[in-house]
Amino acid sequence: SQQGEEDPQALSIQEGENATMNCSYKTSINNLQWYRQNSGRGLVHLILIRSNEREKHSGRLRVTLDTSKKSSSLLITASRAADTASYFCATDASTDKLIFGTGTRLQVFP
Amino acid sequence: DVKVTQSSRYLVKRTGEKVFLECVQDMDHENMFWYRQDPGLGLRLIYFSYDVKMKEKGDIPEGYSVSREKKERFSLILESASTNQTSMYLCASKFGGGDYGYTFGSGTRLTVV
Repeated sequence: SQQGEEDPQALSIQEGENATMNCSYKTSINNLQWYRQNSGRGLVHLILIRSNEREKHSGRLRVTLDTSKKSSSLLITASRAADTASYFCATDASTDKLIFGTGTRLQVFP
Repeated sequence: DVKVTQSSRYLVKRTGEKVFLECVQDMDHENMFWYRQDPGLGLRLIYFSYDVKMKEKGDIPEGYSVSREKKERFSLILESASTNQTSMYLCASKFGGGDYGYTFGSGTRLTVV
């Protein structure tokens, strides 16, 4: 079962620009998480936002959560070529297991 | 540096073989998970475990089994490998309960020929 869907599927930007990725999900959640995956590697946890939180920051990352719309967004500010990766949202729906979306492929050009 | 280690980075097996994928974590995490990742389908949960000797089916358990005899080790078993099990397999772990992120291994790319 697919819980999260990211939008867009792919995004290309220049270094220094901001990148925004969106995630929609279907059921109520405990928390929502964002992960990064470099090509052919494992996923790296970026940030977790709880269902009672609306916004969270970590370095150049900003995550928002709107539980009424069942959606979240990940903003990467001042992007760098090293941010090139796939980004996944994942939801924990009170079952202590994560359900992942299909991801957004981000390409940052120098 | 805390780690989840998957025993093989690349693996090629023949149809019908029994395949073992091993995953070891050194963080004393209670929960461990096996996902497979396929293009266009994202990550799909195969099996997970909340404790030693415990296992729960995920969304796509058919054709797979698991073993967790020790807290740090979670093995995925393909009883009789088939070509449709060619995929990237990802192991992850986390502390039980509470809002924690997962720690993932580097993945095993399995090709069944």
